[in-house]
Amino acid sequence: EPEVTQTPSHQVTQMGQEVILRCVPISNHLYFYWYRQILGQKVEFLVSFYNNEISEKSEIFDDQFSVERPDGSNFTLKIRSTKLEDSAMYFCASSEVPLNTEAFFGQGTRLTVV
Amino acid sequence: AQSVTQPDIHITVSEGASLELRCNYSYGATPYLFWYVQSPGQGLQLLLKYFSGDTLVQGIKGFEAEFKRSQSSFNLRKPSVHWSDAAEYFCAVGITGNQFYFGTGTSLTVIP
Repeated sequence: EPEVTQTPSHQVTQMGQEVILRCVPISNHLYFYWYRQILGQKVEFLVSFYNNEISEKSEIFDDQFSVERPDGSNFTLKIRSTKLEDSAMYFCASSEVPLNTEAFFGQGTRLTVV
Repeated sequence: AQSVTQPDIHITVSEGASLELRCNYSYGATPYLFWYVQSPGQGLQLLLKYFSGDTLVQGIKGFEAEFKRSQSSFNLRKPSVHWSDAAEYFCAVGITGNQFYFGTGTSLTVIP
């Protein structure tokens, strides 16, 4: 069964450092997403990406964040100058088309900023 | 503003007992509705979804959910819970373009 894969599963970084979270979406999917879940809180939408550009982003997704599809398979989330409050589980998801089909989620990357 | 409410933070049921997890949403029209399950250390797995048509939808692992427009609810049910169902359950609503709004989740504990 096709799946979304995320690496690494756990990342520890020092405050102020840059991190890149990696995702390999399902190969025939066209829409890509990043969500995050701060411990004990709800899963929150960060950004969606289609046709090599951001299609929607939340207010959480400020200038500190960026996304990129550097090649035909990877989809990355970059966080510049990490803050303690960026500590969370980050989920990547992909779908064939938006909403009228399911979004497949990866297993998540747990980011810990110390 | 759109919102999703899961009133029960934590539910404990005995194995073999029935289960109902509640979900209410706030939105002017009928949204797309989803239930996801998250086992420890795992990603979010889709259990079922509702877009239109029959308001009772069947999902994987023996789960079903019923959309009730009058109550703005989409409750998840299972007639007989198995120990392997212990997990975190998230209700989600898809409204605009391509983003989901998630509830805070309900943690399910199954006791033998």
